[in-house]
Amino acid sequence: NAGVTQTPKFRILKIGQSMTLQCTQDMNHNYMYWYRQDPGMGLKLIYYSVGAGITDKGEVPNGYNVSRSTTEDFPLRLELAAPSQTSVYFCASSPGRFQETQYFGPGTRLLVL
Amino acid sequence: GQQVMQIPQYQHVQEGEDFTTYCNSSTTLSNIQWYKQRPGGHPVFLIQLVKSGEVKKQKRLTFQFGEAKKNSSLHITATQTTDVGTYFCAEYTGANSKLTFGKGITLSVRP
Repeated sequence: NAGVTQTPKFRILKIGQSMTLQCTQDMNHNYMYWYRQDPGMGLKLIYYSVGAGITDKGEVPNGYNVSRSTTEDFPLRLELAAPSQTSVYFCASSPGRFQETQYFGPGTRLLVL
Repeated sequence: GQQVMQIPQYQHVQEGEDFTTYCNSSTTLSNIQWYKQRPGGHPVFLIQLVKSGEVKKQKRLTFQFGEAKKNSSLHITATQTTDVGTYFCAEYTGANSKLTFGKGITLSVRP
């Protein structure tokens, strides 16, 4: 199993541009999550999904959108990039409720200039 | 919402020294998880504690959940350079299937 994969690894965006961060897991996990990590700030939850077709906001959802059309994929969309979205983005998955270990992808480093 | 606090954010030790860090909450925690993130890497699950007073060991790492379930500790015996990284505690809330992370403590080890 590849686990959780994320693409791209690194991206530079101009202010106002849009992009989609891809996340795929091959472990048949129901639950998937998007976090952002800023220096000294820990991990903040952006959006999460408990199954295909179901998504919900986390702590910092503004400026982002997600979709979950399949169990495997959970893309994160930035519509109008802003410098405040410069961060490292991690996708994670877990088997489901009461199976709480989260498995993280390698991350996407995003720089908005 | 529920918050878990980790202070300080940085600690430097000499290789071979012991290291202890704490995770604190003002309210009772349902459980606590610990993750480790190596420099440039991603968080990796280490352990979960659920019961009051629970102690779990992984080689040189000892994890403890407080009796009142308001704090947890991670103790590393005889640190090695491979212990370098950021250690996060997090509470899992089963009701909405989310983890709330502390800000982490970054450990550096002088060889």
